[in-house]
Amino acid sequence: GAVVSQHPSRVICKSGTSVKIECRSLDFQATTMFWYRQFPKQSLMLMATSNEGSKATYEQGVEKDKFLINHASLTLSTLTVTSAHPEDSSFYICSASTQGAGNQPQHFGDGTRLSIL
Amino acid sequence: GENVEQHPSTLSVQEGDSAVIKCTYSDSASNYFPWYKQELGKGPQLIIDIRSNVGEKKDQRIAVTLNKTAKHFSLHITETQPEDSAVYFCAASRSSARQLTFGSGTQLTVLP
Repeated sequence: GAVVSQHPSRVICKSGTSVKIECRSLDFQATTMFWYRQFPKQSLMLMATSNEGSKATYEQGVEKDKFLINHASLTLSTLTVTSAHPEDSSFYICSASTQGAGNQPQHFGDGTRLSIL
Repeated sequence: GENVEQHPSTLSVQEGDSAVIKCTYSDSASNYFPWYKQELGKGPQLIIDIRSNVGEKKDQRIAVTLNKTAKHFSLHITETQPEDSAVYFCAASRSSARQLTFGSGTQLTVLP
């Protein structure tokens, strides 16, 4: 159980393109989803937290107009990197959790490798 | 905010030996401490977690210890195998459902 699916696994596109990444919880309802960014040989840095049906909360230094997050249902959150540039190239990873009695651990997707040419 | 420090950054052990990775945290309100294993090109996979109401937890070859007074916790892997080679991250949070603060990671290499 507790499977989180992320799609696509890899994207290569030209500078100026907008890219959408999907994160789905396959066998549980995720009240909260988190988006992380990871540069090579570095740790995961939280970008934003999204709760179903409400606006995402962004970490300091993360541009909300650049990284659009939508969490329209309890099983799906999307991250759109708008007008991507080479400096946006990174490994983007989502995680999902469920709040409430018996808080469940966060489970991570397998990440999306974004390469902007 | 929370700050998590992790040591060592790299660790090489012979197959069959034990490996220990240590983390410290700063926020005394943190009460949830998971450990993740990340293989190349993949997302982190939860391998064990501990909450502040216990001092130790074990799952087969993996164990985690927590010292809340000293604000540090450790991952112990016994009888290491080559497939244990990966990057391991510790993390801390006030709840499993809230944002995690990650350590900087440890590249574990198990030599056959």
